[in-house]
Amino acid sequence: KQEVTQIPAALSVPEGENLVLNCSFTDSAIYNLQWFRQDPGKGLTSLLLIQSSQREQTSGRLNASLDKSSGRSTLYIAASQPGDSATYLCAVSSSLGGYSTLTFGKGTMLLVSP
Amino acid sequence: GAVVSQHPSWVICKSGTSVKIECRSLDFQATTMFWYRQFPKQSLMLMATSNEGSKATYEQGVEKDKFLINHASLTLSTLTVTSAHPEDSSFYICSARRANTGELFFGEGSRLTVL
Repeated sequence: KQEVTQIPAALSVPEGENLVLNCSFTDSAIYNLQWFRQDPGKGLTSLLLIQSSQREQTSGRLNASLDKSSGRSTLYIAASQPGDSATYLCAVSSSLGGYSTLTFGKGTMLLVSP
Repeated sequence: GAVVSQHPSWVICKSGTSVKIECRSLDFQATTMFWYRQFPKQSLMLMATSNEGSKATYEQGVEKDKFLINHASLTLSTLTVTSAHPEDSSFYICSARRANTGELFFGEGSRLTVL
């Protein structure tokens, strides 16, 4: 059974810092890995999608890497801003018994202070 | 970008009634849709996976007779909470997987309050 772990559970940084969020998964046979952010009381917003054949994706100040063999992904946020404050979730898409499954980590709650 | 519309955003109902929540992919075809619930300050909990035209696959501990899921087309899935009780009050979120890329897009969620 796929398990996804996110470290740290919470992170508080001053504005302007570069930071790294970590995501690890136990089964390397994945289709893709996706990073999301969730604002309180809201749905999820897709940030980056990395297919299993890719090693990284970039969007603006965000960079996500994927090392499938070691079961790890990192989300790098450059020059953090207060608007980046949210919960960041990674989700791994994989196959289980012929069915497509999706497994989420518990998230990292990020607070960027002015 | 791709949009998933979830309706209603808020619903308050009396105990014992049934509530239907719709999830639509507006500009792409979704072969698979997922339904989640989320309690305050907790992560998402996957309830079920539905593939268009077939029965939903429920996660362990989720009552399929309680949470009816229908995925009748490539753009619409519905979740019906039958005979709702106060403990069913939660934030329900759907997601749709784009058929060609596998990317997931989420609805804005539906907050259900059962009195």
